[in-house]
Amino acid sequence: DAKTTQPTSMDCAEGRAANLPCNHSTISGNEYVYWYRQIHSQGPQYIIHGLKNNETNEMASLIITEDRKSSTLILPHATLRDTAVYYCIVRAGSSNTGKLIFGQGTTLQVKP
Amino acid sequence: DAGVIQSPRHEVTEMGQEVTLRCKPISGHNSLFWYRQTMMRGLELLIYFNNNVPIDDSGMPEDRFSAKMPNASFSTLKIQPSEPRDSAVYFCASSTGQWNTEAFFGQGTRLTVV
Repeated sequence: DAKTTQPTSMDCAEGRAANLPCNHSTISGNEYVYWYRQIHSQGPQYIIHGLKNNETNEMASLIITEDRKSSTLILPHATLRDTAVYYCIVRAGSSNTGKLIFGQGTTLQVKP
Repeated sequence: DAGVIQSPRHEVTEMGQEVTLRCKPISGHNSLFWYRQTMMRGLELLIYFNNNVPIDDSGMPEDRFSAKMPNASFSTLKIQPSEPRDSAVYFCASSTGQWNTEAFFGQGTRLTVV
């Protein structure tokens, strides 16, 4: 699975959009981009995933560049409850398991 | 569905003792994963099962660790003998096993070996 690079930490003001970047320059054509987050003391929680098109769900939006070498997770109106570690993961779409390899992630601190 | 259920939530044991962590995956899921999380090493995949069969155990740190999945609704991770460096939070996750689907994590078991 391709390696990802994320900033170690970011701050965001409550109510503003949080934009979390991820670089995955070695991504292959069949690899998906997944985002998970981990709130303190809890298990990781799935947020969103995509292949090449932008995706949106009730939690967030995922913007993938045309060359697929990077992506951005957008939390449109961050709240204090969104303070967490956010993990960007790439996983082969041809895999028949949900195997996920986590990096160090980005610690997002939402401030009042 | 109650989600992935792990027990116990907390475990404190003495060095040298056997420790067994338990996991009940989401009904209908046929892939199960064990992860370990520490401050130093982050989230590490230890082993994963597909249809109750271990597929990849390359993340298991050493022979003291073993995992079983006797049926589709139950898995155990055993450490024997335990050591202080095994202290960590252990997570179990399950998924349908189909590509393009997400994994669901339990709340974890915090293990402390003294």
